[in-house]
Amino acid sequence: DIQMTQSPSTLSASVGDRVTITCRASQSISDWLAWYQQKPGKAPKLLIYKASTLESGVPSRFSGSGSGTEFTLTIGSLQPDDFATYHCQQYDTYPYTFGQGTKLEIK
Amino acid sequence: EVQLVESGGGLVQPGGSLRLSCAASGITLSRYWMTWARQAPGKGLEWVANIKQDGSEKNYVDSVKGRFTISRDNAKNSLYLQMNTLRAEDTAVYYCARGAGSGDLVYWGQGTLVTVSS
Repeated sequence: DIQMTQSPSTLSASVGDRVTITCRASQSISDWLAWYQQKPGKAPKLLIYKASTLESGVPSRFSGSGSGTEFTLTIGSLQPDDFATYHCQQYDTYPYTFGQGTKLEIK
Repeated sequence: EVQLVESGGGLVQPGGSLRLSCAASGITLSRYWMTWARQAPGKGLEWVANIKQDGSEKNYVDSVKGRFTISRDNAKNSLYLQMNTLRAEDTAVYYCARGAGSGDLVYWGQGTLVTVSS
């Protein structure tokens, strides 16, 4: 199975900060990577697919990049609504797999 | 408005069975790959299984192969997950989700909790 490793596991930041979350795959997944945002007690929400394509309705402060084995999610200027847990997911090879999640906390 | 509503979760003893359902509204399920994913309490997400539009292809994570069966009834606009020989480690919130393709999950239900305990 392809292992997805996110870093950091927890990130403390302030409103207005620019933050980056990294996701590494144990083997190449081309650009078959999605990013999700999840708030406590809620279902995940798709933010980005195909590594860098913004899902409709997602604010432009979110961006994704990368290919192969290393990917990043960047939030350009943190807003209060952005404090949540972020998950990456590869959908190149079955079984599809998620990273362990990155919790973004208010500093 | 797209809605996916899961049901069928609950408390079951180890070795028992449950059948989860996911009812869709606002979309025609037959057009899309559908997925089940789960999240154990306080843990990350785990992809469980998916099924092609016509049911001709099904894929599973190894830990559930031979125990879980994903199915769909496009006439009823519904998705199912039959879970047999349940184990404590199957305890999780189970989500159904609609894919854009087979992988990226655009719409999610609210989830249904399955607890496997004696």
